[in-house]
Amino acid sequence: NAGVMQNPRHLVRRRGQEARLRCSPMKGHSHVYWYRQLPEEGLKFMVYLQKENIIDESGMPKERFSAEFPKEGPSILRIQQVVRGDSAAYFCASSPGASEAFFGQGTRLTVV
Amino acid sequence: GENVEQHPSTLSVQEGDSAVIKCTYSDSASNYFPWYKQELGKGPQLIIDIRSNVGEKKDQRIAVTLNKTAKHFSLHITETQPEDSAVYFCAADLGYQKVTFGTGTKLQVIP
Repeated sequence: NAGVMQNPRHLVRRRGQEARLRCSPMKGHSHVYWYRQLPEEGLKFMVYLQKENIIDESGMPKERFSAEFPKEGPSILRIQQVVRGDSAAYFCASSPGASEAFFGQGTRLTVV
Repeated sequence: GENVEQHPSTLSVQEGDSAVIKCTYSDSASNYFPWYKQELGKGPQLIIDIRSNVGEKKDQRIAVTLNKTAKHFSLHITETQPEDSAVYFCAADLGYQKVTFGTGTKLQVIP
């Protein structure tokens, strides 16, 4: 059973471009969470999704950020018109329900 | 919302000594408290957790204590080894994995 898979591991985008981050949860897990980690800081909750539903997006910036978890395929975190302040590590976690979550290795986004 | 404070931010111990990391939380409704270890360039890895109906839990060299009244919980690592060096995060969970993390403790174990 493979762990949580995130890709790409590293992503470089120029200001104004779009960034797409992918997360494939562990087999059998229907709950996905996205977190952002700035250098030397802790993880900040962004969004909680179940298949085809956004359950809690209280940590998502109001503009430019969106997330989805379609019926088929990975969860996608999309950042439009990226700015330098979006540079961070983005982690995805999955769980089968009300139990511990398992994290992926993260995607390190650099905006130049 | 929930607020989790974690201390110290950095901790250096000699190999074989114990390390203690402390956290406080603000929302009394939080009922699940995981601890994560994050090595450089990797994602957080769950190392131990405790639920609000338990006061203490131990797993080999790692133990966690929880004081619900005072709303604080601690991680204890005994007989530290160089491979314990990492950043450790405490967290508080209100019930559906909307986890609020502490700011992390960078632990260095000196051989």
